[in-house]
Amino acid sequence: DAKTTQPPSMDCAEGRAANLPCNHSTISGNEYVYWYRQIHSQGPQYIIHGLKNNETNEMASLIITEDRKSSTLILPHATLRDTAVYYCIVRVYNQGGKLIFGQGTELSVKP
Amino acid sequence: GAVVSQHPSWVICKSGTSVKIECRSLDFQATTMFWYRQFPKQSLMLMATSNEGSKATYEQGVEKDKFLINHASLTLSTLTVTSAHPEDSSFYICSARSQGQNVGTQYFGPGTRLTVL
Repeated sequence: DAKTTQPPSMDCAEGRAANLPCNHSTISGNEYVYWYRQIHSQGPQYIIHGLKNNETNEMASLIITEDRKSSTLILPHATLRDTAVYYCIVRVYNQGGKLIFGQGTELSVKP
Repeated sequence: GAVVSQHPSWVICKSGTSVKIECRSLDFQATTMFWYRQFPKQSLMLMATSNEGSKATYEQGVEKDKFLINHASLTLSTLTVTSAHPEDSSFYICSARSQGQNVGTQYFGPGTRLTVL
């Protein structure tokens, strides 16, 4: 079973920041948080991952709370092309490192 | 990011036939590959994990004799759906990782749409 919970859907205005929350209260100390997104009828696209520190790359920023029980993915300036389902995944430690997908958040960016 | 390809991108077959789907890591060596299935409006469901040169490990409820997985090289894994039936119609997605189980990022292929008539 997925170790994360996310809101099923969110809206965001084009050009504004999109903040996608994720709860992972049962995460273990050595388990990473990964974010992927899936645009309709395509394979998931890797966005970012982190362990305990905040991370930033060219696509997004990842903010992880100090207790690691939740995180937020931030898309700083959302565009229409960012409309997708966003998955927050806790990578299972020592089980082949497999990624178990939850239901994700369907983000709609509106003009 | 690394590139993973799948072939074919879509396939239609008759009930009772077998279908093979290929997954290739194009610019890295994949020590581990994963196969997922996704039904309409649902999330991805992990079917199996395969390490190069080893037998695949199937998730609970996935029939290993129906979904044959071969990971013969560090850049190629195949999924064969044997004796396909309409209920096997789905979006099959592979994923590849270059490093050990607790490090390295998984990259996903574009998926293969299977329709069984």
